[in-house]
Amino acid sequence: DAGVTQSPTHLIKTRGQHVTLRCSPISGHKSVSWYQQVLGQGPQFIFQYYEKEERGRGNFPDRFSARQFPNYSSELNVNALLLGDSALYLCASRPTGTATSYEQYFGPGTRLTVT
Amino acid sequence: TQLLEQSPQFLSIQEGENLTVYCNSSSVFSSLQWYRQEPGEGPVLLVTVVTGGEVKKLKRLTFQFGDARKDSSLHITAAQPGDTGLYLCAGAGGGTSYGKLTFGQGTILTVHP
Repeated sequence: DAGVTQSPTHLIKTRGQHVTLRCSPISGHKSVSWYQQVLGQGPQFIFQYYEKEERGRGNFPDRFSARQFPNYSSELNVNALLLGDSALYLCASRPTGTATSYEQYFGPGTRLTVT
Repeated sequence: TQLLEQSPQFLSIQEGENLTVYCNSSSVFSSLQWYRQEPGEGPVLLVTVVTGGEVKKLKRLTFQFGDARKDSSLHITAAQPGDTGLYLCAGAGGGTSYGKLTFGQGTILTVHP
């Protein structure tokens, strides 16, 4: 079975631009979460979506937004990019309504560089 | 705010040695997961512990969840160069918080041949 997929793999943007990152969850997984991982640190929670609704938001500014589509894929949007937004952006999906609903499976990430 | 303190931050050992990584919090978690991450890749789930006092073994890796579900440890026996990587612990709350993981800072393990 295919795991979580993310696109693009790498992205270089200029300060002030906006970016859209995409994620496809494991087949059958209805919940998607987004994380930001700055070099040398553990991932930080940004959003959780389940059944197309936002179910949790981390301590990130309103420049960060996301949505989930009927096929459970998701997009993360970041506006007015800052140098500090440079990071690895990770998407994770998890099963719901099962005994292992707490287990999250991560994609390979999108490496965003802001210059 | 839930926080996870992971230690040590760096670990450099020789092949064959044993090591333990610790993950501590003042908060209770409904589950705690351990991940391993290679440079430029996403974290790969190693194990999930759910019950206080639970011990799980994965070949040479032993994972333990504290009785109060606030702390966990990862013990590697006879480390090998292939164990080199970033080890992350992550705690999850219950119910709708399942999708929000709180991560520790990570432990960078280097095993020298």
